[in-house]
Amino acid sequence: DVVMTQSPLSLPVTLGQPASISCRSSQSLVYSDGNTYLNWYQQRPGQSPRRLIYEVSNRDSGVPDRFSGSGSGTDFTLKISRVEAEDVGVYYCMQGTHWPPITFGQGTRLEIK
Amino acid sequence: EVQLVESGGGLVQPGGSLRLSCAASGFIFSNYWMGWVRQAPGRGLEWVANIKPDESERYYVDSAKGRFTVSRDNAKNSLYLQMNSLRAEDTAVYYCARVVPGASFDYWGQGTLVTVSS
Repeated sequence: DVVMTQSPLSLPVTLGQPASISCRSSQSLVYSDGNTYLNWYQQRPGQSPRRLIYEVSNRDSGVPDRFSGSGSGTDFTLKISRVEAEDVGVYYCMQGTHWPPITFGQGTRLEIK
Repeated sequence: EVQLVESGGGLVQPGGSLRLSCAASGFIFSNYWMGWVRQAPGRGLEWVANIKPDESERYYVDSAKGRFTVSRDNAKNSLYLQMNSLRAEDTAVYYCARVVPGASFDYWGQGTLVTVSS
């Protein structure tokens, strides 16, 4: 199984400052079709998860452009250029390249300092 | 607008059974893989099962194999999860989600809570 490892697990950020979350996979997430199936999800308190980013760097409709995804192979990053209060929650990376099983990272809890 | 609405959760004793349902609307249900993801209290997300549109392929996390069965009724735009031999560690909120290429979950329901306890 592919293990997804996120860091940090807790991320206190000042409003208006940038934030960055790392996600590493135990093997390359490049699929045989050349795509990399790495997604990022946001889960606000008391809500269902919401997909933010798919295939490493593609933002979902309605996702603010302060969110961006990057990376390749086994190393990926979610960046928030300027954190806003509504960004509080837990962020998960997820791989869909080598499944079953589909695997998620442990989650990174973003809070406002 | 895509909507996924789960139901069927509740309190069940260890060893018991429960059937979860997910009513889908706002898209052509029969064109999409569907899946279940769960979240134990205070924990992270765990994939449970995926099912192909024609039910010809079904996949499960190891802990669900032999106990859970995912199914669907395309005529009713509904997804199901039959859970048998339930254990305390199955206690979680169960989310229904639509699956798109790359085994990505692009839409999620609000979840239904399953509590396994005596």
